[in-house]
Formats: sequence, C-alpha cells, structure tokens
Amino acid sequence: DGGITQSPKYLFRKEGQNVTLSCEQNLNHDAMYWYRQDPGQGLRLIYYSQIVNDFQKGDIAEGYSVSREKKESFPLTVTSAQKNPTAFYLCASSMFPAGARNEYEQYFGPGTRLTVT
Amino acid sequence: GENVEQHPSTLSVQEGDSAVIKCTYSDSASNYFPWYKQELGKRPQLIIDIRSNVGEKKDQRIAVTLNKTAKHFSLHITETQPEDSAVYFCAANTGFQKLVFGTGTRLLVSP
Repeated sequence: DGGITQSPKYLFRKEGQNVTLSCEQNLNHDAMYWYRQDPGQGLRLIYYSQIVNDFQKGDIAEGYSVSREKKESFPLTVTSAQKNPTAFYLCASSMFPAGARNEYEQYFGPGTRLTVT
Repeated sequence: GENVEQHPSTLSVQEGDSAVIKCTYSDSASNYFPWYKQELGKRPQLIIDIRSNVGEKKDQRIAVTLNKTAKHFSLHITETQPEDSAVYFCAANTGFQKLVFGTGTRLLVSP
C-alpha cells in the first residue's frame, strides 16, 4: 500500500470554508493527478501536473486550486466556490517522461472522503 | 474532447460464469486503454491494459480486446470467483496527457 498517501481519510467542513487535501508520493513519479469520484459518475479529472511548478486544468476544475512546489507533493484546495464539494477525492501519480504520451499506469492513493454541511 | 462510455453499469453472474464489460471511445488518436478494479472502500488498481498496436491481451483469467476501427474495447473475465466482485473502470488516453474514465461497472459474482 506504500508509495502514495492521502490525508486525512475523512474530512468534515462547514459550507463556505476552504479545505486542503494532502497528497504525497515517494515513487519519484513525474505526474500527479486529482480525481473526484461520485456514485455512478466514475472518476473525473480535476487537475493534473506533469512537472514541478506547472499544472493543468482537468474537466471539472471550477472551484478547486492546486500547487506543485515539490515533485512529491500535490495538494488540492476545495474552495467555497465549489458548489457541490461533498465527494470522494482520489490522488494518483504516474511516470510521464517529457514528450511522451500518457500511457503509463496510474497509482492511486487511498482517497479522502470530504463532507461539507 | 474524449468521451468514454461503459456498459453495463451493473452485472450479476454466477460463480464460474464469464463476464464481459464493454467500452467505447471517441478520440481516434487514443492509443492506451487501461482497466482498473476498485474493491469496496479501496483504491482503484490497474488489472490489465492494452495499446493500440495489439488487438488482444491476456493475463490468466482476464483478457482485453480492442477494435480500433469500431473504437471499442472490452474486458473479459472467465471462471469468475466471488473475489472478482468489485467496480471495474475502463479508460482511454486523450491528447498527450489525460486519461478519461468510463462510469464504471459494478460486478457481483454470486457463489
């Protein structure tokens, strides 16, 4: 189970508060990803990053922000602008050499279940 | 952008039967198609993947087939066992950087 960790496992927040989810990996992977998982909707990409200090919006980036100051870390902030933040959040990492296509296994963390009331 | 459709959403089989899950994709440039298994309360894990230069790949009881012309790929599980019960996700890469996932299939294998 080692390699990529997320904390905390469960998180509860009041509406209107920003909250930051942690993701750390020691696999020396280039790329890191944040997904949101809702029942019946699969995994939807929020943000991804191929290299330090660079990241790209995924399909549902509105109301979220990220940073990639270190190769090992990719924290996700769920802001008060996110209209429906209650969900299961998964972080992942993969090899992704510069210039290559994305065709490498993604390793997932154990997830953080966020509940906002 | 890429769209990946997955069917069925739920699948119930008896132990020992075969199970087939099908996905279609829209981006003709996609060339990598992984399948992930997510057991209840656990993280998704890669079980098999296929690249567009091959039409079929097998790993013990699991196989994946790819039809590039029709833009669909399928997961086949033979001799199903109760421990195969989980949610299965297909995915396809799009552009150079992203994976797009299907909506998942909940497989239930009854003893």
